[in-house]
Amino acid sequence: DAGVIQSPRHEVTEMGQEVTLRCKPISGHDYLFWYRQTMMRGLELLIYFNNNVPIDDSGMPEDRFSAKMPNASFSTLKIQPSEPRDSAVYFCASRIARGDYEQFFGPGTRLTVL
Amino acid sequence: AQSVTQPDIHITVSEGASLELRCNYSYGATPYLFWYVQSPGQGLQLLLKYFSGDTLVQGIKGFEAEFKRSQSSFNLRKPSVHWSDAAEYFCAVDSRPPGGSYIPTFGRGTSLIVHP
Repeated sequence: DAGVIQSPRHEVTEMGQEVTLRCKPISGHDYLFWYRQTMMRGLELLIYFNNNVPIDDSGMPEDRFSAKMPNASFSTLKIQPSEPRDSAVYFCASRIARGDYEQFFGPGTRLTVL
Repeated sequence: AQSVTQPDIHITVSEGASLELRCNYSYGATPYLFWYVQSPGQGLQLLLKYFSGDTLVQGIKGFEAEFKRSQSSFNLRKPSVHWSDAAEYFCAVDSRPPGGSYIPTFGRGTSLIVHP
């Protein structure tokens, strides 16, 4: 398996624009997590899905953020409208439902909002 | 609510020296504990984990960690550090809310700097 795939790897956009980040989890994994990493706040869990269903989105900072998982092999995190304070590295991770609970992380998307 | 504290933001060691990274957690039940490593520009990779049994666990790249319930700690150690170990290290605790699944809480991370 290729691991967790995220695209794009880098995104530079202007304030007010819509941004869509994409993630393909490892095949067979039941859980998908979206994280945001910044120097100020560290690694924050934004939202997670179980079998494509959002379970907890309490970490989503504002209504400008939304996430979907239309099927087991694809998820998106959308920011609309984007703001400079959204600049961060966004990670997607997946894992199986039972077992050792190891999370497998993607390489991240570095977002810069000008 | 569970929490994870990594008290050291930065640690500097010389190559070949021993290493210990500290991690303390707060959780009412027996936790699932993890250490992850993040190299620059990459995602996190699992180093080792503790679920139960032997409190000294071995991981990849020569790392080990010891679970001490009385101290609520899960410190990461390596007897001899290599320059390639320079990275960010994250401690994580998996906890389960009533009726829910195990979900991780990550510490803020410790940045390891290795001097030649």
